[in-house]
Amino acid sequence: ETGVTQSPTHLIKTRGQQVTLRCSSQSGHNTVSWYQQALGQGPQFIFQYYREEENGRGNFPPRFSGLQFPNYSSELNVNALELDDSALYLCASSAGTSGAQETQYFGPGTRLLVL
Amino acid sequence: KQEVTQIPAALSVPEGENLVLNCSFTDSAIYNLQWFRQDPGKGLTSLLLIQSSQREQTSGRLNASLDKSSGRSTLYIAASQPGDSATYLCAVFIIGANNLFFGTGTRLTVIP
Repeated sequence: ETGVTQSPTHLIKTRGQQVTLRCSSQSGHNTVSWYQQALGQGPQFIFQYYREEENGRGNFPPRFSGLQFPNYSSELNVNALELDDSALYLCASSAGTSGAQETQYFGPGTRLLVL
Repeated sequence: KQEVTQIPAALSVPEGENLVLNCSFTDSAIYNLQWFRQDPGKGLTSLLLIQSSQREQTSGRLNASLDKSSGRSTLYIAASQPGDSATYLCAVFIIGANNLFFGTGTRLTVIP
């Protein structure tokens, strides 16, 4: 059984640029959630995808967008990067109809630095 | 709005000590509560998940309790080891939401 993988592991961008982060969910999981973790903070929910549809969104602006593909892998896109977007971005996959009550399995994260 | 608080923010103990980490949450309408471990710069590893109908869960040297009515959970680590050094996060799934709400974590250092 393959775990959750994320790419790239590290990324450096400048303000105003756009970035795409990728996540491959654990085998058999159809729900992917994305979280942003600033230094010294707990992860904050960005959004969740279930069977290719957005299934809940946290308090993040529209320049944070996502996709889920038929194989349940997912992308997180961030446009017009700001310095405060520097963080560890975590992807989590889960099985079940909504993922809410299932154990979420987290990937290793992508560390984004915006200069 | 659900708020999750973890106390203390940091803790240092000598190897072999038993210790307790605390987590409190404001909204008791939860599906479950999870404890995670996070090593520096790394992702999260799930340690224990307690369903809202349960009072505790155990895994090896770890024991987590849940008192939903008072909005509290504890993670008990027995006979701590240097390898236990990490940040420990608790998180709750509240009814009506699709996501985990996390605390800010307790950074544990076990001194050899």
